[in-house]
Amino acid sequence: GDSVTQMEGPVTLSEEAFLTINCTYTATGYPSLFWYVQYPGEGLQLLLKATKADDKGSNKGFEATYRKETTSFHLEKGSVQVSDSAVYFCALSDPSGYSTLTFGKGTMLLVSP
Amino acid sequence: GAVVSQHPSWVICKSGTSVKIECRSLDFQATTMFWYRQFPKQSLMLMATSNEGSKATYEQGVEKDKFLINHASLTLSTLTVTSAHPEDSSFYICSAREGIAGNEQFFGPGTRLTVL
Repeated sequence: GDSVTQMEGPVTLSEEAFLTINCTYTATGYPSLFWYVQYPGEGLQLLLKATKADDKGSNKGFEATYRKETTSFHLEKGSVQVSDSAVYFCALSDPSGYSTLTFGKGTMLLVSP
Repeated sequence: GAVVSQHPSWVICKSGTSVKIECRSLDFQATTMFWYRQFPKQSLMLMATSNEGSKATYEQGVEKDKFLINHASLTLSTLTVTSAHPEDSSFYICSAREGIAGNEQFFGPGTRLTVL
């Protein structure tokens, strides 16, 4: 079945550091790929998405490129802020049927001033 | 974005009792709702998918008689954990989607269930 593997956390960075959170996937067909963010005490929010190979999703300074050849969707940000501290989930969706989401385990990001 | 609420946010119950968790879409009509379970440091595991007015579709390994899901209206779905046991203790999260497959799912904040 479909699966998503993302790097274990926590990732601890200083403010303004460069961020990379790795995500790779296994899926049949051509899934859509997503990054969700969960701030403390809140529900998951869609951060960005890409629906086909070579697409780049971007939002709030974060970006990720759908790489079919390496089955990857790594999340990057050039300069993190304390307010980016949260748990980040990589996910994929089968574009057919109910479009159910398959999630990675989540990576906690802690940014210190 | 659209808002999904869950109630209660946390609940503690005795073993053998039943617990009901509500999931509401506050400003849109949720054609489809999803229920997930999350263990500590684990990913969200889809339990079931429900369409308004229809029976829920459960994922393999999820006991439908233990986890009763009702999606009686376009704004409300409930998950009832029947005869709860300590191993049912977990974080339960719902999401809701308006319209067709491919539309964005909006997530609730989750409900922490502890069974003593």
